[in-house]
Amino acid sequence: KNEVEQSPQNLTAQEGEFITINCSYSVGISALHWLQQHPGGGIVSLFMLSSGKKKHGRLIATINIQEKHSSLHITASHPRDSAVYICAVSMYSGGGADGLTFGKGTHLIIQP
Amino acid sequence: EPEVTQTPSHQVTQMGQEVILRCVPISNHLYFYWYRQILGQKVEFLVSFYNNEISEKSEIFDDQFSVERPDGSNFTLKIRSTKLEDSAMYFCASSRTRTGNTIYFGEGSWLTVV
Repeated sequence: KNEVEQSPQNLTAQEGEFITINCSYSVGISALHWLQQHPGGGIVSLFMLSSGKKKHGRLIATINIQEKHSSLHITASHPRDSAVYICAVSMYSGGGADGLTFGKGTHLIIQP
Repeated sequence: EPEVTQTPSHQVTQMGQEVILRCVPISNHLYFYWYRQILGQKVEFLVSFYNNEISEKSEIFDDQFSVERPDGSNFTLKIRSTKLEDSAMYFCASSRTRTGNTIYFGEGSWLTVV
């Protein structure tokens, strides 16, 4: 069974700051997902990664398969980025959403 | 922007009652999932569904749970005899293929068992 750990659990930062959220896992995976959960509960998929790096707007996600570690970065953070960011890993071939194992999430607050 | 819709958004039910949570996945998606999140805890995978059958399920998804796609558009989760510990937010999700595609989540159905 994969253990998924995220750090920090809570993060408060000022608008404009560069944010890093970390995720580590214990067993080899096929892919890792970064998700954003809004205060109302809805979940949005941000990235699916199996290697390297992906960028979308101000968000950057990286993964190091050998070190079993991924990071999510937010550049020029804004109060609307305030949410819970969740890392989830897939052990099934191709990284599908079957059997995802989730981290506890990082609660991010960006203050104006 | 296509979206996954779930109903009801919130349901309160008596322990022992049957509950059906409904989901309308995105129309050209083929893979469907249910997850749950107990208040204050991690999201947990329940079941995945493809080609009118379950493709994967977790230990949580025991005989009290069932899923079906009754009419080609709805995807339902049934809990036969609810327990207090079934109180949670239930999320439906869909994806066009099993791998390499974005997963789209619904807004969730909050189930309270009393």
